[in-house]
Amino acid sequence: EDKVVQSPLSLVVHEGDTVTLNCSYEVTNFRSLLWYKQEKKAPTFLFMLTSSGIEKKSGRLSSILDKKELFSILNITATQTGDSAVYLCAVSIIQGAQKLVFGQGTRLTINP
Amino acid sequence: DAMVIQNPRYQVTQFGKPVTLSCSQTLNHNVMYWYQQKSSQAPKLLFHYYDKDFNNEADTPDNFQSRRPNTSFCFLDIRSPGLGDAAMYLCATSNPANRGKLFFGSGTQLSVL
Repeated sequence: EDKVVQSPLSLVVHEGDTVTLNCSYEVTNFRSLLWYKQEKKAPTFLFMLTSSGIEKKSGRLSSILDKKELFSILNITATQTGDSAVYLCAVSIIQGAQKLVFGQGTRLTINP
Repeated sequence: DAMVIQNPRYQVTQFGKPVTLSCSQTLNHNVMYWYQQKSSQAPKLLFHYYDKDFNNEADTPDNFQSRRPNTSFCFLDIRSPGLGDAAMYLCATSNPANRGKLFFGSGTQLSVL
């Protein structure tokens, strides 16, 4: 069975801290790994990773994939209250059409 | 702007009363998906269409059906909603060229009274 596991499930930090969110996976027919941010509505896309070792960056957010060890991390530096959200990791697999298998999410709370 | 549109944003129905949720897209993507997301849980795939080919997930209840009359529209029909079907329903689209990236609508929050 295809599985995506995120940790921690919940994280509370102070504004300005740096956080690291983890995602491990066991799937067949891996195509890519994606990170989404969800704030009480539909998920919004952050990153898509297909190759190991190549860091993707967007402002204070960055992510990297390790296809040998089957995990990815999402880093957020200098956190702000607007970063409070659920961060979803998903793995795209090919079963006929491509599908996303989601992890259970990490709920990040940034306190002022 | 090309996008995925879901209507309505909030839907209230009664226990056992059929309800239909709608999704439209202007992206001209081949694949359309319906996900169910219950409170504090990950989105769970119900089914997807690849063009006109319907693909049901093995554990999707028979109570859930879908229709895709054309490329742009897809509907989720819940024949007899139960209290356990209250959730956010997310429509998404993709193309093979997207390498797995899904484009989500804003979701429909369904309440069952």
